[in-house]
Amino acid sequence: DAKTTQPPSMDCAEGRAANLPCNHSTISGNEYVYWYRQIHSQGPQYIIHGLKNNETNEMASLIITEDRKSSTLILPHATLRDTAVYYCIVRVAGGNQGGKLIFGQGTELSVKP
Amino acid sequence: GAVVSQHPSRVICKSGTSVKIECRSLDFQATTMFWYRQFPKQSLMLMATSNEGSKATYEQGVEKDKFLINHASLTLSTLTVTSAHPEDSSFYICSAPNPTDTQYFGPGTRLTVL
Repeated sequence: DAKTTQPPSMDCAEGRAANLPCNHSTISGNEYVYWYRQIHSQGPQYIIHGLKNNETNEMASLIITEDRKSSTLILPHATLRDTAVYYCIVRVAGGNQGGKLIFGQGTELSVKP
Repeated sequence: GAVVSQHPSRVICKSGTSVKIECRSLDFQATTMFWYRQFPKQSLMLMATSNEGSKATYEQGVEKDKFLINHASLTLSTLTVTSAHPEDSSFYICSAPNPTDTQYFGPGTRLTVL
């Protein structure tokens, strides 16, 4: 699975959009971009994933560049409860690994009042 | 509501004892589950893949005789930390895949070995 690079930390004002970048320059054509987050002392939570088209759900939007070498997770109106570590992971969907995830260091997002 | 549960949520044990952690999928079946370990201020590290009805697959560097995994049914996987020592103190998390190829994670079990 391709490696990802994320900034170690970011701050965001409550109510503003949080834009979390992720570089995955070695991504393969059949690898998806997944985002999970982990609130302190809890298990990770799935946010969103995509292959090449931009995706949006009730939690966030995912913008993937045309060359697929980077992506941005957007939380449109961050709240204090969005304070967490956000992980960007690239992997082949399905495959013979049964879905295992290899976590990098992630971005620690602090939403401030 | 939670779709993957873990029990216990936290456990304190003496050095040399064994501790069993349960991971259950609620309302769905999981032929595969995953076990992760997380030390303070660090990311999750995949330990092993639990396979229903067959042996677990361990990641490189994880001692299979120390971390015993049993996936006895389609809704239950257990991780037993044998002869626990203080360095085994950690946050243990399990996950199970869902049909949309994402993972449901359990809430985690905090193990403290005295």
